[in-house]
Amino acid sequence: DTAVSQTPKYLVTQMGNDKSIKCEQNLGHDTMYWYKQDSKKFLKIMFSYNNKELIINETVPNRFSPKSPDKAHLNLHINSLELGDSAVYFCASSPGSNEKLFFGSGTQLSVL
Amino acid sequence: GEDVEQSLFLSVREGDSSVINCTYTDSSSTYLYWYKQEPGAGLQLLTYIFSNMDMKQDQRLTVLLNKKDKHLSLRIADTQTGDSAIYFCAETLGDYKLSFGAGTTVTVRA
Repeated sequence: DTAVSQTPKYLVTQMGNDKSIKCEQNLGHDTMYWYKQDSKKFLKIMFSYNNKELIINETVPNRFSPKSPDKAHLNLHINSLELGDSAVYFCASSPGSNEKLFFGSGTQLSVL
Repeated sequence: GEDVEQSLFLSVREGDSSVINCTYTDSSSTYLYWYKQEPGAGLQLLTYIFSNMDMKQDQRLTVLLNKKDKHLSLRIADTQTGDSAIYFCAETLGDYKLSFGAGTTVTVRA
């Protein structure tokens, strides 16, 4: 029954590895997002997708590649992980472009 | 966040009112939001206000909007221990983008 679910909840990996985070929403929303929350709790948007199409790419390094196979899913693949990638990554969805966001519970990524 | 500003910490006694303040930058923001984040959890939408409103009340929560000063506040009446969390103010910045403040950590003491 979870509205926005993302997996895994925790991800611990070595520098240089490649990893993926998956996100699914069952709310029937058209728009999905990835946000990054750093250690100071500052939240910054990374990507927005609307109906599987990329709308916003907020100057994120191209090591980060989102993929939306359908409008209910938005996955995030990260290549060549760096120490600075350690953060909590949140997936979110909304009915449309200027509407309230519903967040997943986050994926805590630790790069060693 | 670089666009939305909030004070970082607030300590309040149980049963008192809490007031969390926020200043935003984009006068054309359509909606302004308050989110709550408990430890280890995602952000939960608490309430929001449309930009043509001055005030919105929802049970213990009161949102005040001063568009002239671009100031938003959230008042929590009768603060409880379960209200201890980080509270984020957010504004819409064009389509498909919310800009968040850095969050205010509210600690409720007995």
